[in-house]
Amino acid sequence: DVKVTQSSRYLVKRTGEKVFLECVQDMDHENMFWYRQDPGLGLRLIYFSYDVKMKEKGDIPEGYSVSREKKERFSLILESASTNQTSMYLCASIHATGGTDTQYFGPGTRLTVL
Amino acid sequence: AQSVTQLDSQVPVFEEAPVELRCNYSSSVSVYLFWYVQYPNQGLQLLLKYLSGSTLVKGINGFEAEFNKSQTSFHLRKPSVHISDTAEYFCAVTRGDNFNKFYFGSGTKLNVKP
Repeated sequence: DVKVTQSSRYLVKRTGEKVFLECVQDMDHENMFWYRQDPGLGLRLIYFSYDVKMKEKGDIPEGYSVSREKKERFSLILESASTNQTSMYLCASIHATGGTDTQYFGPGTRLTVL
Repeated sequence: AQSVTQLDSQVPVFEEAPVELRCNYSSSVSVYLFWYVQYPNQGLQLLLKYLSGSTLVKGINGFEAEFNKSQTSFHLRKPSVHISDTAEYFCAVTRGDNFNKFYFGSGTKLNVKP
């Protein structure tokens, strides 16, 4: 079974803090994604990476950055957390064949910024 | 631009009744279509996908969906629901020429009542 794990299920941070969300997959997938999930808005793509050290902006990259130093690990960074970044964050991975394959999701990290 | 519309944000239904969750998409090119399910406090998991071939696709847990190109729809159906089907369901689309971009609908919460 593919496993996508995220470092925390719940996280509470203060405004202005630097926040790291970690995601690890164990199936040698080339592509990894960070989504943000908000009620009524579905999933919105923040960033994705198609190879080590490669990244592309998604639909809502403002206020976020990412890091992919190893193939299995994809980190989302909030440089200075703000209250409007309170949300559920989902990591996903898929083989490079993309749409014909299955995208696997982690359990999510619910981030609250006070 | 790509968009995915799930018109129903919530669908209440009694156990053993049939259900249909609606999904419409807009695209000027060919697409791949997906339905994902999210149980409470979990990540998303794939229910079924349409890539090509037969327009009726069968998935896990007794769900099926029909691709209708002329109506640009991919509605999800189940003839008899169970309490355990209570979850949020997301329709997603990716284009054949851009495997890395998944577009998600806003989600439909299915509430199965006893």
